[in-house]
Amino acid sequence: NAGVTQTPKFRVLKTGQSMTLLCAQDMNHEYMYWYRQDPGMGLRLIHYSVGEGTTAKGEVPDGYNVSRLKKQNFLLGLESAAPSQTSVYFCASSSRGFFTDTQYFGPGTRLTVL
Amino acid sequence: GEDVEQSLFLSVREGDSSVINCTYTDSSSTYLYWYKQEPGAGLQLLTYIFSNMDMKQDQRLTVLLNKKDKHLSLRIADTQTGDSAIYFCAESKAGANNLFFGTGTRLTVIP
Repeated sequence: NAGVTQTPKFRVLKTGQSMTLLCAQDMNHEYMYWYRQDPGMGLRLIHYSVGEGTTAKGEVPDGYNVSRLKKQNFLLGLESAAPSQTSVYFCASSSRGFFTDTQYFGPGTRLTVL
Repeated sequence: GEDVEQSLFLSVREGDSSVINCTYTDSSSTYLYWYKQEPGAGLQLLTYIFSNMDMKQDQRLTVLLNKKDKHLSLRIADTQTGDSAIYFCAESKAGANNLFFGTGTRLTVIP
């Protein structure tokens, strides 16, 4: 099992460009999440999904869109990147919800917006 | 609110015990978690404690919860160089689809 994988690992964008981050999990998990991690701060939830075809907003959803067309994939899109979106993005998955269930994290994508 | 605070840095000598502290403000928290992040990697769940518990022990890890003071700690016995990482505490509330993370404590173990 590969667990949770993320592509790409690194990316540099110019302001206004768009891109999609891909998260894939091979554990048949229902729940998937996108977080961002900024220096000196904990992780903040951007969007999450409780199953194929569903998405919901987290703590900091503005400027991002997500899609969960297949159970194993969760895509995070930036339509018009801004320097404030420079961050490390982590995807996670779990078989159930937040409580007691282990969230498995991917290795992260480091995004720089110039 | 959901503020979760931690000190930023901790250094200990190999073989000593490490104690990482966390304070939270939301008394309705249901579960409190400790995650470990090694360099260049995602977060790994170490342990969690339900809010009606005072203590949980798992091998070298001991979690203490003081609900009155809203204080959570993680004690690592016999700290090893492989324990060097950033440790995050996080809290969740029933009915809320969100985890609130602290800023993380960078633990450095000196050989």
